[in-house]
Amino acid sequence: QKEVEQNSGPLSVPEGAIASLNCTYSDRGSQSFFWYRQYSGKSPELIMSIYSNGDKEDGRFTAQLNKASQYVSLLIRDSQPSDSATYLCALRSGGSYIPTFGRGTSLIVHP
Amino acid sequence: KAGVTQTPRYLIKTRGQQVTLSCSPISGHRSVSWYQQTPGQGLQFLFEYFSETQRNKGNFPGRFSGRQFSNSRSEMNVSTLELGDSALYLCASSTTSGGDGELFFGEGSRLTVL
Repeated sequence: QKEVEQNSGPLSVPEGAIASLNCTYSDRGSQSFFWYRQYSGKSPELIMSIYSNGDKEDGRFTAQLNKASQYVSLLIRDSQPSDSATYLCALRSGGSYIPTFGRGTSLIVHP
Repeated sequence: KAGVTQTPRYLIKTRGQQVTLSCSPISGHRSVSWYQQTPGQGLQFLFEYFSETQRNKGNFPGRFSGRQFSNSRSEMNVSTLELGDSALYLCASSTTSGGDGELFFGEGSRLTVL
């Protein structure tokens, strides 16, 4: 059974700080990793995908993948109140086309 | 470009009834996946359709079924509703089967079972 673990939070950070969201997984065959953002009452939207070890940057967002340690993280620099949402980690293994989602981490950015 | 459209957005049913939810994917997307989201379980995969064929199925009972039409629109049906079926049902479309995880979600259909 593929497991994707996230701390449910809430993670509270002040505006302008770096928010660090972490996700660990159990399936070593996982190949593709994704971060989705879900605002309260809204549907998830993809913000980052990462496929190889290391960092991937996109604007204020950086995804970090370490397959040996089986974790993937999302850093949000210069956090804004508008970043307050639940962040879902998802992964796909080589043997499945269907991504498995974690339960999400609630992020609160306070002014 | 229109996004993924789900109808109805909200509905209330009683135990034992059945419900049909509809999803219109983004134009050109041939894959439609359905997810159930609850506070306790998170996003749980129901099934995926691609070109009118069910490609993948999650661990849900047979009361949950779906289909896809030639225009890629999809419906899911839940029969003999139970209280535990109360959830947000999300549809996601993609260009390819599974979409390599790059899914585009609709706003969801919130089902309440009384």
